[in-house]
Amino acid sequence: AQTVTQSQPEMSVQEAETVTLSCTYDTSESDYYLFWYKQPPSRQMILVIRQEAYKQQNATENRFSVNFQKAAKSFSLKISDSQLGDAAMYFCAYRSSSLTNFGNEKLTFGTGTRLTIIP
Amino acid sequence: DGGITQSPKYLFRKEGQNVTLSCEQNLNHDAMYWYRQDPGQGLRLIYYSQIVNDFQKGDIAEGYSVSREKKESFPLTVTSAQKNPTAFYLCASSIRLTIPYYEQYFGPGTRLTVT
Repeated sequence: AQTVTQSQPEMSVQEAETVTLSCTYDTSESDYYLFWYKQPPSRQMILVIRQEAYKQQNATENRFSVNFQKAAKSFSLKISDSQLGDAAMYFCAYRSSSLTNFGNEKLTFGTGTRLTIIP
Repeated sequence: DGGITQSPKYLFRKEGQNVTLSCEQNLNHDAMYWYRQDPGQGLRLIYYSQIVNDFQKGDIAEGYSVSREKKESFPLTVTSAQKNPTAFYLCASSIRLTIPYYEQYFGPGTRLTVT
């Protein structure tokens, strides 16, 4: 079974600065997807960014980028120019890419990192 | 606007009572999911359904039941057999089958408190 580990329960960053959230995972599969979800105080889960394991290029979405290290099974999220609206819980998640069996569509989540933005 | 609705936002029940949480989507998505969120534990999968009239147990299905009579609806019943029902429950949906990647969209969640 796959596992996802987020070792930083809480992080804080000064507004306009850059912060990196860590995520490691364990899997025996060679192809899969990785995601970062944001959960603000409203508790609505919002997809921030995704990465396909077969792609070597790191995904980028505006101020959000990832550092995907497949051999190290590491998937960190970098937030540049941090804004007050970035304050939230951030969850790393894993999903198998195989469509051959029911159940592979499920997401396996880490325990989350609470990010605080300091004005 | 397309999306997922969950009602109610807050739900209170007495211990020993069954309670049903509603989840409706108008995204024409095939798959639907129920997750439970507890402090410090992330989200855990309870049940999921790929198509109407079919559903599968997730990692923590004990004490829960679901039905999928319509594509748009996937209600979750928390039974009296669930030992620790107080939690935040999230419903999600996604397209499946025809494309290799698809995002799961989440509803706003229901906070269930059982006393």
